[in-house]
Amino acid sequence: AQTVTQSQPEMSVQEAETVTLSCTYDTSESNYYLFWYKQPPSRQMILVIRQEAYKQQNATENRFSVNFQKAAKSFSLKISDSQLGDTAMYFCAFIPGGGADGLTFGKGTHLIIQP
Amino acid sequence: KAGVTQTPRYLIKTRGQQVTLSCSPISGHRSVSWYQQTPGQGLQFLFEYFSETQRNKGNFPGRFSGRQFSNSRSEMNVSTLELGDSALYLCASSLRLADGHEQFFGPGTRLTVL
Repeated sequence: AQTVTQSQPEMSVQEAETVTLSCTYDTSESNYYLFWYKQPPSRQMILVIRQEAYKQQNATENRFSVNFQKAAKSFSLKISDSQLGDTAMYFCAFIPGGGADGLTFGKGTHLIIQP
Repeated sequence: KAGVTQTPRYLIKTRGQQVTLSCSPISGHRSVSWYQQTPGQGLQFLFEYFSETQRNKGNFPGRFSGRQFSNSRSEMNVSTLELGDSALYLCASSLRLADGHEQFFGPGTRLTVL
């Protein structure tokens, strides 16, 4: 079984700052995928970014990028030029390549962007 | 493309009752997964259906069951409700779980058990 750990229950930064959310995972799988999901107060889960474990290159989506360290089993999310609309719960998630057991989520980080 | 829809959005039941939740996936998606979200346990995978067959199952008691219809719509049933079943139930649709395909989530059904 795999586990996902997010060690920061809550973070608060000023608008326009850069913030990094941490995530570590544990698995014996060699083929897997990692995700960051955002859940705003509306509770609608939205995919932020996706990383394939076999790809060395870190994924990037506009202001969002990841630092994927496979050997360290670390998968952090960097948000640049943070905006008020980024305020939300952020969940790190893992799924093995075969999809068994669905997504395994971390406990989440509550990110607050202050004006 | 229409998103994932879940009905009802809110439910209040009493202990011992049973409940059925419904999920309509994005057109063309054959995989539907269900997750339970609680403050204490976080997000946990319940099960996944693909082409009317349960393909994967999480660690939940047999009171939690589901099914999928030929149009890919899925229902989740919880029998003999307990207070601890109070949660947000999220449904997610995708092309398939394997190969890391994106799962698109619905707005959820908030179940309160009294």
